[in-house]
Amino acid sequence: NAGVTQTPKFQVLKTGQSMTLQCAQDMNHEYMSWYRQDPGMGLRLIHYSVGAGITDQGEVPNGYNVSRSTTEDFPLRLLSAAPSQTSVYFCASSLTSGGGDTQYFGPGTRLTVL
Amino acid sequence: AQSVTQPDIHITVSEGASLELRCNYSYGATPYLFWYVQSPGQGLQLLLKYFSGDTLVQGIKGFEAEFKRSQSSFNLRKPSVHWSDAAEYFCAVGLNYNNNDMRFGAGTRLTVKP
Repeated sequence: NAGVTQTPKFQVLKTGQSMTLQCAQDMNHEYMSWYRQDPGMGLRLIHYSVGAGITDQGEVPNGYNVSRSTTEDFPLRLLSAAPSQTSVYFCASSLTSGGGDTQYFGPGTRLTVL
Repeated sequence: AQSVTQPDIHITVSEGASLELRCNYSYGATPYLFWYVQSPGQGLQLLLKYFSGDTLVQGIKGFEAEFKRSQSSFNLRKPSVHWSDAAEYFCAVGLNYNNNDMRFGAGTRLTVKP
C-alpha cells in the first residue's frame, strides 16, 4: 500500500512550457485534490475530483487543467507555465469528500518556472 | 475577511519542554478545525480534528488541541517535545463539511534543541 504518490519530485520549466504533474493513489479513494503551497501562505486548493469523470475548480484554478479518467489517477496539467506557478504542489486523497474522512497527502512536487 | 492565522512563524523549544502552537480563525460560524504536521520532504499528515463535542481533542503522537469559541482559537499542545517533533505545523479550518472547502494557515516551523 503506497498511499499517495507524486512524480516528479522536482521540475524546472521555462516560461511557456507545458507539463503534467502525476498523482496516483492505491486506496480506492473517491476524492482527490491538488493544492499549491507558497512561502508564507497556507495550502490553496487548485482543483478537486469527487470521482472518476468528475472534476471541479478550487480556490486558485487559473492556469491549470485536470482530468480524472480512473479512480487511481489525477494528473495536473500546466498548459503554459508562468513564473507565478513556481510553487510546491501537493496531491491529496480521501475516501469521500466529506470532512470526516481524513485527507492523505503525497510528498509533493517542487516546481520552478524560469 | 475569512482567515486562519498562525501568529508564530518559527518556534524553538528544548527537547522535553512543553509546546503550544497558536491558531486563530475568523469565520461567522463554528468551523471544523484541523491540525496537520509536515515533516521535511513529506506531505501533510493529520494530527487531530475537531467537529463538535468535547473541546479538548486528543490526536496522534501525544498532541492535543483545545477549541475555545470565545477566543476563536484552536491551539495545539504537547507536554514534552521530542526531537522527532521538529517539523512544520499547519492549522486548517473547514468552512463546511467538505474537504474541498478548507483554508490553511501559513504554518509554524518548530525547531527542537537538544
